[in-house]
Amino acid sequence: QQPVQSPQAVILREGEDAVINCSSSKALYSVHWYRQKHGEAPVFLMILLKGGEQKGHEKISASFNEKKQQSSLYLTASQLSYSGTYFCGTADQGAQKLVFGQGTRLTINP
Amino acid sequence: DVKVTQSSRYLVKRTGEKVFLECVQDMDHENMFWYRQDPGLGLRLIYFSYDVKMKEKGDIPEGYSVSREKKERFSLILESASTNQTSMYLCASKAVDNWKGKLFFGSGTQLSVL
Repeated sequence: QQPVQSPQAVILREGEDAVINCSSSKALYSVHWYRQKHGEAPVFLMILLKGGEQKGHEKISASFNEKKQQSSLYLTASQLSYSGTYFCGTADQGAQKLVFGQGTRLTINP
Repeated sequence: DVKVTQSSRYLVKRTGEKVFLECVQDMDHENMFWYRQDPGLGLRLIYFSYDVKMKEKGDIPEGYSVSREKKERFSLILESASTNQTSMYLCASKAVDNWKGKLFFGSGTQLSVL
């Protein structure tokens, strides 16, 4: 069962902040975040493991709430290069596969 | 860096043709995956493999088969292509046997079935 991402699309001006949410109906072991620019391969951003940790990568960070089975991706002071489609992928304990959400399209305008 | 190479960037085929999509990775990864990407539906898993000659069905295996004769190569086969198989196909590989490891994706093959 696919996790649900929200919003489906967001348009920002450069320098604004964004939050992308990923919710699952299943207990999660790990949450992955990837970004895909138009015409390119998805690129790994970060993995969060159960335990409610928060991770950061420059101005992009994420949290994982194990009890709520949710993860959020935070983009701070967005740059033009942040434009793309963001996917979360979730796996439960012992899962053989990573199941992706439907994606969130982020557009950053100057 | 790990390189995952898909043999074709664009393919145009006719309904009923047998289609082969090839994927090669150069980092000796055990695990390889085929996803299909459609607007609004995200990435959906078709098949995956954890070892040579081993395959497992993903979430949408109907109409597809796979082959893994060598560790570095994972092929997706459309036995009789149909128009509803027009899509972007992404291959990925992973080093570790749990989901603490990330996926490395190829650049994708955009398949059009006419």
